[in-house]
Amino acid sequence: EDQVTQSPEALRLQEGESSSLNCSYTVSGLRGLFWYRQDPGKGPEFLFTLYSAGEEKEKERLKATLTKKESFLHITAPKPEDSATYLCAVRVNSGGYQKVTFGTGTKLQVIP
Amino acid sequence: DTEVTQTPKHLVMGMTNKKSLKCEQHMGHRAMYWYKQKAKKPPELMFVYSYEKLSINESVPSRFSPECPNSSLLNLHLHALQPEDSALYLCASSQGQGRSGANVLTFGAGSRLTVL
Repeated sequence: EDQVTQSPEALRLQEGESSSLNCSYTVSGLRGLFWYRQDPGKGPEFLFTLYSAGEEKEKERLKATLTKKESFLHITAPKPEDSATYLCAVRVNSGGYQKVTFGTGTKLQVIP
Repeated sequence: DTEVTQTPKHLVMGMTNKKSLKCEQHMGHRAMYWYKQKAKKPPELMFVYSYEKLSINESVPSRFSPECPNSSLLNLHLHALQPEDSALYLCASSQGQGRSGANVLTFGAGSRLTVL
């Protein structure tokens, strides 16, 4: 069965304190790994897609990387507005179609 | 503002009521999705429509009935729900189901459902 696990569940950082979030996956036939950000009471907002081991994507203070078993979301010098829940998701084949399954999420709080 | 619009934002219903959630997108996307999200949990896939045909049903109870009247609209009909069905229901769309960036999901803000 496909599994996606994120760690830590929650992370509290001081403003400017860099850190990394982890997403470990066990799937058969990965067709892409996504990172999303979700603010309370809102839908997830797309951040990155990664397809191949070794691939990296950057956007402002965020950098996502991918290996064959896990992905990292690196946050450099975070600001309070980066506080949110960060979700990773994997896309796999399902009966000829493709479905996206989400991990458990990491709730990030950045303290001023 | 999100390009996927969901209505209503909030819905309270009794267990004997019949109600519907609506989702609309005008991005020309051909795949649409319903996800259910309980508090402090990740979104869970319920249904996928591809080119207006139901392609994935994640063994969802029949009290949830999806409908895709056209490529821009997606409904979720609710009947005889249970209190444990209370959750945030998220609609999403993507250009298609291919490998490329066309498969990125764009989510709506969700409909918060409370079943009494």
